[in-house]
Amino acid sequence: EAQVTQNPRYLITVTGKKLTVTCSQNMNHEYMSWYRQDPGLGLRQIYYSMNVEVTDKGDVPEGYKVSRKEKRNFPLILESPSPNQTSLYFCASSLSSGSIRQFFGPGTRLTVL
Amino acid sequence: QKEVEQNSGPLSVPEGAIASLNCTYSDRVSQSFFWYRQYSGKSPELIMSIYSNGDKEDGRFTAQLNKASQYVSLLIRDSQPSDSATYLCAVNPGNQFYFGTGTSLTVIP
Repeated sequence: EAQVTQNPRYLITVTGKKLTVTCSQNMNHEYMSWYRQDPGLGLRQIYYSMNVEVTDKGDVPEGYKVSRKEKRNFPLILESPSPNQTSLYFCASSLSSGSIRQFFGPGTRLTVL
Repeated sequence: QKEVEQNSGPLSVPEGAIASLNCTYSDRVSQSFFWYRQYSGKSPELIMSIYSNGDKEDGRFTAQLNKASQYVSLLIRDSQPSDSATYLCAVNPGNQFYFGTGTSLTVIP
């Protein structure tokens, strides 16, 4: 089944404790992206990757890191999480940046205390 | 100025009516426009994409694009209770995607 998977789905952590949210797709997509969704602010792009070893900042990259060592994986790293990073996070992938359809993962709800 | 603006709603329509959702965008470079539906607690799913001025129909859904006025709309005909969701407008000016905050639609049986 074609899909984007994210882990964990739910995470409660404390300020400053490094964490990684994994994202994996099995569709051989070149383009992958991370978003955060907050009430009243909508879906905002954090980072995106056009292909392996190519990553770029989106609208809200501060406090986040990403890497794209393999085509299928695009982990999101919070080196020192803060409460303002409490949010719902989505990973997405598509064939290319101009591709019609982005496939979204199920989401990761992160709470930073 | 936000890249994409939508009325947050909520928008309520009776079952069988036409629901009209609107979106404006600021970047004239944008060439690709999308409507996503998001049920509560779920991830967004693509409903429609449109690239050229005019109308594009897919079943009960019609997307309308007017690049001169920088707006894109979504019409849902014969609305059903299962259409109750938040609808997100998105634009793709280059390699990034910009989403609106979404319009909440409730279809009343």
